[in-house]
Amino acid sequence: QSVLTQPPSVSGAPGQSVTISCTGSSSNIGAGFAVHWYRLLPGMAPQLLIYADDDRPSGVPDRFSGSKSGTSASLAITGLQAEDEADYFCQSYDGHIIFGGGTKLTVL
Amino acid sequence: QVQLQESGPGLVKPSETLSLTCPVSGASITEYSFWSWIRRPPGKPLEWLGYVHSSGTTVYNPSLKGRFTISRDTSKNHFSLKVTSVTAEDTAMYYCARAINGALDFGLWGRGTLVTVAS
Repeated sequence: QSVLTQPPSVSGAPGQSVTISCTGSSSNIGAGFAVHWYRLLPGMAPQLLIYADDDRPSGVPDRFSGSKSGTSASLAITGLQAEDEADYFCQSYDGHIIFGGGTKLTVL
Repeated sequence: QVQLQESGPGLVKPSETLSLTCPVSGASITEYSFWSWIRRPPGKPLEWLGYVHSSGTTVYNPSLKGRFTISRDTSKNHFSLKVTSVTAEDTAMYYCARAINGALDFGLWGRGTLVTVAS
């Protein structure tokens, strides 16, 4: 059981938008620790999509955005594309680095 | 361009020691960084194992049972992971990754190497 809770799966049609939640507690996200988001594709290096709650590394499209409120954070993806089909993980800190349980995004 | 690429055996027998290395190209391992190991067992989430800081300090996931050792070799510009007394539960994709600030966001990862523990 991960300390950070994510929905196991989400789905959307091409062009639509989806949001992936990451729910923590007062000892991690609620304590103000940064939330980062990653995309994992088979055979490829994981990619940092969002860091420090809502910042995008250079090269990441602005279709990806992050937000945080209270003990939860969210990753929003707009204009879904086939290549967005992947596993997504949130990361924060709770005495040590912790990851969410992961969410599989299916593009219908 | 900084690159990481894990290397090690794909198959390890139960009770033996797993050894992985992560050569760093395009940067010095002594540059301010947190050089980490992260794994993902099949069908499970990512699990942070620990890091070796560019200063040489190591920090581990406290939920691990002390079988894990992370070290660095500045002469070879790589860092390593050793896992002793492996079991089937150590079967996973192992990644090395780099964070360059205290927020510990991993902006650089290797492609990962699959390690299977089986006799």
